[in-house]
Amino acid sequence: GAGVSQSPSNKVTEKGKDVELRCDPISGHTALYWYRQSLGQGLEFLIYFQGNSAPDKSGLPSDRFSAERTGGSVSTLTIQRTQQEDSAVYLCASSSTSGATGELFFGEGSRLTVL
Amino acid sequence: DQQVKQNSPSLSVQEGRISILNCDYTNSMFDYFLWYKKYPAEGPTFLISISSIKDKNEDGRFTVFLNKSAKHLSLHIVPSQPGDSAVYFCAASGWNNNDMRFGAGTRLTVKP
Repeated sequence: GAGVSQSPSNKVTEKGKDVELRCDPISGHTALYWYRQSLGQGLEFLIYFQGNSAPDKSGLPSDRFSAERTGGSVSTLTIQRTQQEDSAVYLCASSSTSGATGELFFGEGSRLTVL
Repeated sequence: DQQVKQNSPSLSVQEGRISILNCDYTNSMFDYFLWYKKYPAEGPTFLISISSIKDKNEDGRFTVFLNKSAKHLSLHIVPSQPGDSAVYFCAASGWNNNDMRFGAGTRLTVKP
């Protein structure tokens, strides 16, 4: 499909385990974002990639969180030593900045449950 | 830092009436303002936007108003329909779409 693809859609893990969440943005989109939405909360900014520039990591909540974007396309969000408070829906979005209206296209999210 | 704030977590209106959702921001560098709509188990989808050079943008039943001096924007839906029931997120970004920030969302319920 032509939309933003995220995997897995659901992930249940035990406290202390590492998890990887994947995002495949829309082809040609130079900007990629990760957000998370905890239960009953709004969208929390995590990290932003724009082309080949250094990512804006200002939203990552701790050093257990990291993300990379290989070849300017697919991105992986890694959470090490997961904690129960990491349980949330992790949303990826991409956008094109050429003549941008500012619109982000979101994936359906990866629901993470840490037991 | 909460640069974009939606102070009303929920709003309930009767079908056919107007829904007004409010949003405040603190960063004067924001140049684009957007509203997204989110249904359960789906990602947010773009609804309407406005750039800082305008004070109003209308698209069918949806109108966004921007008051730059007050750092405030609002979304008006008229007439409201039951299918409009969703969580609405306000978002803002710089001129080059850098670092978009979202509010906490307002859950709108439109009653038949």
